[in-house]
Amino acid sequence: QKEVEQDPGPLSVPEGAIVSLNCTYSNSAFQYFMWYRQYSRKGPELLMYTYSSGNKEDGRFTAQVDKSSKYISLFIRDSQPSDSATYLCAMSAQGAQKLVFGQGTRLTINP
Amino acid sequence: GAVVSQHPSWVICKSGTSVKIECRSLDFQATTMFWYRQFPKQSLMLMATSNEGSKATYEQGVEKDKFLINHASLTLSTLTVTSAHPEDSSFYICSARDFWTGGLTEAFFGQGTRLTVV
Repeated sequence: QKEVEQDPGPLSVPEGAIVSLNCTYSNSAFQYFMWYRQYSRKGPELLMYTYSSGNKEDGRFTAQVDKSSKYISLFIRDSQPSDSATYLCAMSAQGAQKLVFGQGTRLTINP
Repeated sequence: GAVVSQHPSWVICKSGTSVKIECRSLDFQATTMFWYRQFPKQSLMLMATSNEGSKATYEQGVEKDKFLINHASLTLSTLTVTSAHPEDSSFYICSARDFWTGGLTEAFFGQGTRLTVV
């Protein structure tokens, strides 16, 4: 079993829809949670960074962390074709240098 | 967010030659830098972790003599692919984190380098 599980998709939704992306993890020591967006042939771009549990909102993006369920989510409201990309979740434990990544979910927003 | 600059963005080299990729943190001091390799439609594969002023720690299966990593300053790390072969063709990405605050910060990534060995 992988430490971080993420459905690779592909996920295709119409423009304007609410998108829900999720990751589950097995290591209860994870404290830092990140979501990255990666366009083809580009490096990942940090979208959201959360420490421990709770919600965080930034514009159309909302990140949720449920440590009791070992489950994190990224919601995208009013999705746009420019949101079409691969979304990667990543996490690390307190004091750990390395990030553990999910497989990435390929998302397509159809106009 | 903080900026990590990676150069070059793409390179083509002949088999048997060496290629150097640079990764710079432009507006923060990167205590730790990471080098990843990414195959098409796959997630990031960590190759090595480098801390400023010390030897890099390589992941299992990564040849340290082939992929030379130098992290001589808090803002610069380099990856040199030595004696490159076509199977080394891939997308290489660097990342940096700052640990100076006593805690951990988010990781920022470079733009990536597409290496093609012919």
